[in-house]
Amino acid sequence: DQQVKQNSPSLSVQEGRISILNCDYTNSMFDYFLWYKKYPAEGPTFLISISSIKDKNEDGRFTVFLNKSAKHLSLHIVPSQPGDSAVYFCAASRAGNMLTFGGGTRLMVKP
Amino acid sequence: GAGVSQTPSNKVTEKGKYVELRCDPISGHTALYWYRQSLGQGPEFLIYFQGTGAADDSGLPNDRFFAVRPEGSVSTLKIQRTERGDSAVYLCASSPTRDSKGTQYFGPGTRLLVL
Repeated sequence: DQQVKQNSPSLSVQEGRISILNCDYTNSMFDYFLWYKKYPAEGPTFLISISSIKDKNEDGRFTVFLNKSAKHLSLHIVPSQPGDSAVYFCAASRAGNMLTFGGGTRLMVKP
Repeated sequence: GAGVSQTPSNKVTEKGKYVELRCDPISGHTALYWYRQSLGQGPEFLIYFQGTGAADDSGLPNDRFFAVRPEGSVSTLKIQRTERGDSAVYLCASSPTRDSKGTQYFGPGTRLLVL
């Protein structure tokens, strides 16, 4: 039973355009949601997070939106750059315990 | 400052053998986590240490898997009688404490291949 799902295994966008990565979850007890970025042969790197009491968090080119009623969150990258090409994982946490990850979305930003 | 380090970076072993994977967390981080990532999937939780004790080992798949953290710093994940299905990337992460925000810092992983 997957509690965190990323339904798009891959996404391709043009440099300079917006990238939107989506994530759905089922467990309403999650209180923090995070996005991690992963390059090949490296561990996941923390990107941005959002508390369940907020609906938006912004950090430079990266914005995460949370829709609690729909149990849905998304990561927006504007403008997208070729260096953003990586696998992005959505993750959820409850009370600072272990992270529950989605399956990942491979983002390809074309120059 | 140094990040989380894991050794070896790659490990090839034969079915039935015993392996040990090591994790050196960021200095001062009291919380340490092990995850396993199979090909094409996201990381899956195995075990969590707070200090020296295993606070949550609910993710360990069976009793062939065991982890220790005797001095509250370095941790070793031990797999007995390895099976081909154990092949995966084993990731270690640490955080300063049980961070209520859930932020964890990951090492590069150990790629285990069981032949």
